[in-house]
Parts: sequence; C-alpha cells; structure tokens
Amino acid sequence: NAGVTQTPKFQVLKTGQSMTLQCAQDMNHNSMYWYRQDPGMGLRLIYYSASEGTTDKGEVPNGYNVSRLNKREFSLRLESAAPSQTSVYFCASPNTPVGLNYEQYFGPGTRLTVT
Amino acid sequence: QQPVQSPQAVILREGEDAVINCSSSKALYSVHWYRQKHGEAPVFLMILLKGGEQKGHEKISASFNEKKQQSSLYLTASQLSYSGTYFCGTDNAGGTSYGKLTFGQGTILTVHP
Repeated sequence: NAGVTQTPKFQVLKTGQSMTLQCAQDMNHNSMYWYRQDPGMGLRLIYYSASEGTTDKGEVPNGYNVSRLNKREFSLRLESAAPSQTSVYFCASPNTPVGLNYEQYFGPGTRLTVT
Repeated sequence: QQPVQSPQAVILREGEDAVINCSSSKALYSVHWYRQKHGEAPVFLMILLKGGEQKGHEKISASFNEKKQQSSLYLTASQLSYSGTYFCGTDNAGGTSYGKLTFGQGTILTVHP
C-alpha cells in the first residue's frame, strides 16, 4: 500500500505557464482533497471531491481547476501560474467517515515555485 | 473561518510540558490534531469527537470543550521527537462534511536537549 502519492515532488514554473499536479490513492477512499500550505497560514483547502464524479470549491479555489479522473486519482491544474501560487501543495484523502471518526492521510507534497 | 491556535510558537527543554490551544468561532463536531515535521506531510495524532472526550496518545493527550468551541493538546515530559508544527483541524459540518477539515495556522514546537 503506497497510501497517497503525488507527482511531481518539485516544480519551477514561469509566470503564465500551466501545469497539472497529480494525486493518487490506493486505499479505496471516496473523498480526496487539495490543500496549499503557506508560511503562517496553515493548510487551506483549494478544492475537494466528496466522491467520484463530484468536485467542489474550498476556501481558495481561484486560479485552479480540478478533475476527479476516477476513484483513485484527483488532479489539480494551474492554467496560468502566478507568483502568488508559489506554495507547497498537499493532496489528502480521509478514510471513509463512519459518523465523525476519520483520519486524513496526506501525500508527500509538491513544492511549487512560480517565478 | 480558520480556527485560531495559540501560542504561535513554543520552545521547551526536554522533559518540560506544553499546552497548545485551538479555538473555533463555529460549532464543532470534531477536532483533529496533526503534527508536521519540517519538509514532510502532516501526520495524524488523534481525533476528539463531540461529547467532551479526552484522548491520549503516548504522552500526548487532548481535550475538547464543545460549549467553548475549544480544544487543547497537552504534551507532557517532552522529547526531542516532539519538535514540529502542530495543527488542529476542525469539522464544522458533522456527518455531511465528507471529511472536510478547516486547519488552524499551526503552532511551532521546538524541544532542545
């Protein structure tokens, strides 16, 4: 079991370039999440997918799009990268909530720099 | 609205105790605590469910006060391995949250020998 995997681990983009961050989980979870982490800001939710075929905006969705390709994979796309999108991006997936008792499993993160 | 954590940073010597607080402006259904080492992903520590439960994990425990919409993380007899950033994550939607958490800004804990 690999858990949650993310690619790439590091990326440098120029302003205006596009890229897609990939995330996959092999735990058969329904939900998947994309967070960004900036110093002093904690983890902020960009988009999430409660189940295959559905996606919803989180707290900071502007400048991003997502695709839930299948139950395993959830990708995050930056269409036209801006320096403000320099951040560490984490994909996460909770084990299917049984009532309220669940745990978020995080991927290793993608460190993105936009120059 | 992000929950607010306090303090923002704590410096300890090995063996000392610390308390990290997490306060929400919204009703809480559960509170999660995570620890993140530098350059790594956050790792789950524990969850506290509505009902005022207190949970423990080795020498780390936590409490949850629903009325005050607060949770506290207690680290006793700290070890060097406790160093890292601690985040609380709050579930404000209950059974319809699909696991969606809102995280605090983090508390940086440094333990010195």
